[in-house]
Amino acid sequence: KQEVTQIPAALSVPEGENLVLNCSFTDSAIYNLQWFRQDPGKGLTSLLLIQSSQREQTSGRLNASLDKSSGRSTLYIAASQPGDSATYLCAGSQGAQKLVFGQGTRLTINP
Amino acid sequence: DTAVSQTPKYLVTQMGNDKSIKCEQNLGHDTMYWYKQDSKKFLKIMFSYNNKELIINETVPNRFSPKSPDKAHLNLHINSLELGDSAVYFCASSLLRLAASYNEQFFGPGTRLTVL
Repeated sequence: KQEVTQIPAALSVPEGENLVLNCSFTDSAIYNLQWFRQDPGKGLTSLLLIQSSQREQTSGRLNASLDKSSGRSTLYIAASQPGDSATYLCAGSQGAQKLVFGQGTRLTINP
Repeated sequence: DTAVSQTPKYLVTQMGNDKSIKCEQNLGHDTMYWYKQDSKKFLKIMFSYNNKELIINETVPNRFSPKSPDKAHLNLHINSLELGDSAVYFCASSLLRLAASYNEQFFGPGTRLTVL
């Protein structure tokens, strides 16, 4: 059974810093991994999807990596901005379509 | 706008009532999902439908009954609501591509259900 863990649960950094959010999963037979952003009271916005055959994906200031052998994924955010403040969720797919979510990292970027 | 939409956004009701949440997607997807986010913000899948057929059912009480009238809609009906049903319910959709093992899921804005 796939379990996904995110560390840290909360993170507060000054504006402009580069930062890394961590995600670990127990079943290396993960199909794919998806990173989401959730703003308070809002839905989920998909940030990056890494398919099982890929090792990383990039979108603007975001870079996500996937290491299936170690059961880890990281989300790197470069030059953080106050608008990046949100909860970041990673989710691994178990089976063809089922997503298993981590509990999220609440990120605060201080101006 | 192309998106996944849910109604209502907020739902406050008494214990024991029956209520429905509607979901629609205009993305041309063939697979839809319901997720529950509890008070600790943990998101868990409840159901998944592909082409109106149930493909995932995660040990959800029988009081929850999803209904998919067509590929673009997946509604969630809840009977005899309990206090523990209070949560945010998210609908999502994706396009199943046979050549890929997984397809990106797109989420609706959520429905906050409060049972008093």
